[in-house]
Order: sequence, then structure tokens, then C-alpha cells
Amino acid sequence: AQSVTQPDIHITVSEGASLELRCNYSYGATPYLFWYVQSPGQGLQLLLKYFSGDTLVQGIKGFEAEFKRSQSSFNLRKPSVHWSDAAEYFCAVGNSGGYQKVTFGTGTKLQVIP
Amino acid sequence: DTGVSQDPRHKITKRGQNVTFRCDPISEHNRLYWYRQTLGQGPEFLTYFQNEAQLEKSRLLSDRFSAERPKGSFSTLEIQRTEQGDSAMYLCASSIGKAETQYFGPGTRLLVL
Repeated sequence: AQSVTQPDIHITVSEGASLELRCNYSYGATPYLFWYVQSPGQGLQLLLKYFSGDTLVQGIKGFEAEFKRSQSSFNLRKPSVHWSDAAEYFCAVGNSGGYQKVTFGTGTKLQVIP
Repeated sequence: DTGVSQDPRHKITKRGQNVTFRCDPISEHNRLYWYRQTLGQGPEFLTYFQNEAQLEKSRLLSDRFSAERPKGSFSTLEIQRTEQGDSAMYLCASSIGKAETQYFGPGTRLLVL
């Protein structure tokens, strides 16, 4: 069964500092990988996705993620965090089978301090 | 493209009552998903439709839950005899194809008193 681990429940960074959110997945074949962001009381917005090809993926709002098959990781990065980035971030893995069943991690809550 | 919409956005009900939520996917998206998200957790898959056919149901979807997508467009999720443990955010997502991204609606937050 596919699964996702986000080891950091809560992260605090200063505005302007760099950010890396960790994500490890478990899936038997080549996975589909996603990062979503959720602001309080809102639905999920897709930041970026990896299906195949270049392992460094660029997303919206200046985010990027790197797929490392050997480490089963798909970490999210941003070089300089803005106060508006404060939200909860979810890593997710989708199967490449009959339909796109997506399994989410438990999320990492990002706090940005001035 | 107006995005995925859900109605209502919030619902407060008393234990034992029935509730129904509606999801309108992005037009021409033939795949529709329901998820449930409890506090401090990521969304958990509940069920999946391809057009009007319900093709997969999670074990989380007890017999008190039923979902329909009668004409392959909007979908409804009904919970009968609600319990306090049903309190959660119910999210709907749609996609246009198997390998395509799922786009999420804003969710319906249910509180069962």
C-alpha cells in the first residue's frame, strides 16, 4: 500500500530565510508525487507535481521539489520565505494504476516570523 | 473554468440527523473524488467516480454514507444518522483523466453536536 511520511509536524522560519519541508513516500512502482498547500479553513491548492522526466520540479509561488528515487523522497524547497507562505503543506503520492488514488501525509504546518 | 465548488461550506447538525453535501466539479472533468479530513490530519480518500459510475469505496465509507453522481456531473454525499465522529472537513476533487491532477474544492466543514 502506498504511504507518505512528513516527519515535521510544525516548522518555524524567519521571513526571508530558506525553507525545506521533508517528504518520504512508499510506493512499489514509479509514483506520482504532489505538494499541496492549505490555508486555514480552505481547500487544497496544488503547488507542484511530479509524474516523470526532470526530477527537479518547479511550482507556483517560487516553490520547487526534487524527486530522489534512491531516498524515496520528494522534499519541497523555497529559497526565501514570505509571510504569506504561512499555511499547512501536504505531500501526497498517487498510484499509476487504474485511477488516481492519492494518499496524503499528515501535513507540516509552517509558521513564518518577522 | 470556475473551479470545484461545494455546498454548503459549513454545516452544524445534531447527532442522528441526516446531512447531504453537494459538489460541482470543473466542467468536463469526468473523474470525481471525495475525501475526509479531520483535525491535524491529511485528507483521506472516501470514494471515486468515473462519469456516473462509483468505482471505488474506502472502508472508511460505512453503510451510513452514500454518494451519487447521477448524470456524471455534480455529486452528492449523504451521511445518515450522523455521529460526533463524523465531524470533519469533507473535500471534493475532480480531474479530467487518470494521470491528471486532482483539483480540490473549498470543502464542507461538518460539526455534529
